[in-house]
Amino acid sequence: QPQLQESGPGLVKPSETLSLSCTVSGNSIRDSSFYWGWVRQPPGKRLEWIGSIYYSGNTYHNPSLKSRVTLSVDMSNNQFSLKLTSVTAADTAIYFCGRVNIEYSSSFIFDYWGRGALVTVSP
Amino acid sequence: QSVLTQPPSASGTPGQRVTISCSGSSSNIGEGYVYWYQQVPGTAPRLLIYRDTERPSGVPDRFSGSKSGTSASLAINGLRSEDEADYYCAAWDVRLSGVFGGGTRLTVL
Repeated sequence: QPQLQESGPGLVKPSETLSLSCTVSGNSIRDSSFYWGWVRQPPGKRLEWIGSIYYSGNTYHNPSLKSRVTLSVDMSNNQFSLKLTSVTAADTAIYFCGRVNIEYSSSFIFDYWGRGALVTVSP
Repeated sequence: QSVLTQPPSASGTPGQRVTISCSGSSSNIGEGYVYWYQQVPGTAPRLLIYRDTERPSGVPDRFSGSKSGTSASLAINGLRSEDEADYYCAAWDVRLSGVFGGGTRLTVL
């Protein structure tokens, strides 16, 4: 079974850039059966899909966040990353990385998840 | 307000059957598949149902999904205390992208 682990700063100042990485073990990022993605959950609120990326660099984004989001893959370290620019307090959330199984006929449904990383946007 | 609408809460006693509804529109549920997640507070979600009715390996057959038109339901048979969690439906919206319901908190009485 794959394991995913988010890493990055837990505190980001308003207007700055949030950067998170997800390290994958037990599954190669190059595996053509999967995308890799990000979902966030503000405290006490519903889940929100951010975007997903294929090892080739092909991406899908949530249109509401697309202008601020950059997704990338680092195959040498079996990692993928998220950058979210110009953050505000509304971006405070638990950020989950996950594996998207193409078999499930969707680009945003995770079958395996990281444990999540709380990122707080505050001066 | 969520694109997919779920009741905020549901409850049942051990052994009962409980259903959770998810109401959408022709641009999401009516257009494609529905997915269901279980989330115990403080943990990552777990995929319960994909492509409307399919269960990933390891998910008990007590959990089942159904869909009709622009609505879907998750049924849990033989309710257990460990089923107490939040349940989310999800679907692709042709106008918006991947969307989730607002979640239903299930309490086992």
